[in-house]
Amino acid sequence: DGGITQSPKYLFRKEGQNVTLSCEQNLNHDAMYWYRQDPGQGLRLIYYSQIVNDFQKGDIAEGYSVSREKKESFPLTVTSAQKNPTAFYLCASSKDPGAYSNQPQHFGDGTRLSIL
Amino acid sequence: AQSVTQLDSHVSVSEGTPVLLRCNYSSSYSPSLFWYVQHPNKGLQLLLKYTSAATLVKGINGFEAEFKKSETSFHLTKPSAHMSDAAEYFCVVRGGEYGNKLVFGAGTILRVKS
Repeated sequence: DGGITQSPKYLFRKEGQNVTLSCEQNLNHDAMYWYRQDPGQGLRLIYYSQIVNDFQKGDIAEGYSVSREKKESFPLTVTSAQKNPTAFYLCASSKDPGAYSNQPQHFGDGTRLSIL
Repeated sequence: AQSVTQLDSHVSVSEGTPVLLRCNYSSSYSPSLFWYVQHPNKGLQLLLKYTSAATLVKGINGFEAEFKKSETSFHLTKPSAHMSDAAEYFCVVRGGEYGNKLVFGAGTILRVKS
């Protein structure tokens, strides 16, 4: 079955350490997204990518970095500059990245990141 | 500006009774509107979407939503709640000045009592 795979499901980070969250999709979608979810705040966009080798900052990009070397993969690195990284991170993809597209986004099952 | 307001942070219903989750949006353009559901420690699953066709949209698991432009609302309903409906629900807007970005409401947690 096609879908989005995020790994690991749980991740722990020490102070001052960078960690990378994996996101892979086999839906042949062009666009991919990273969101951060905190209780009572809905989802906030970190980064998104509409095509390979291109990505844009979302609303809360500070302290995060991404790459899009392959269509199927969009890893997110949480750097030591992110002072409050504890959250649930969700990756999503959509078929049509166009500005007026009504194509829905498909979500992975998330990675929960905690600070040791 | 475009934003989404979910009017209730928590809703509690008894099994077999109707569900109403309220959502209001503001947008300078005709938006695309979505409802997603999230079960604990899971990703979001699409329930239904409105894309300027029929104003009454039917989704999965017996849910439906009605787009009312005059009230800028997109409330989610279900005639009879089931225990498995207990989850968090998000109203989402897309398009217009926000391009392909989704704008999420803060979420409504639905509790279903037996």
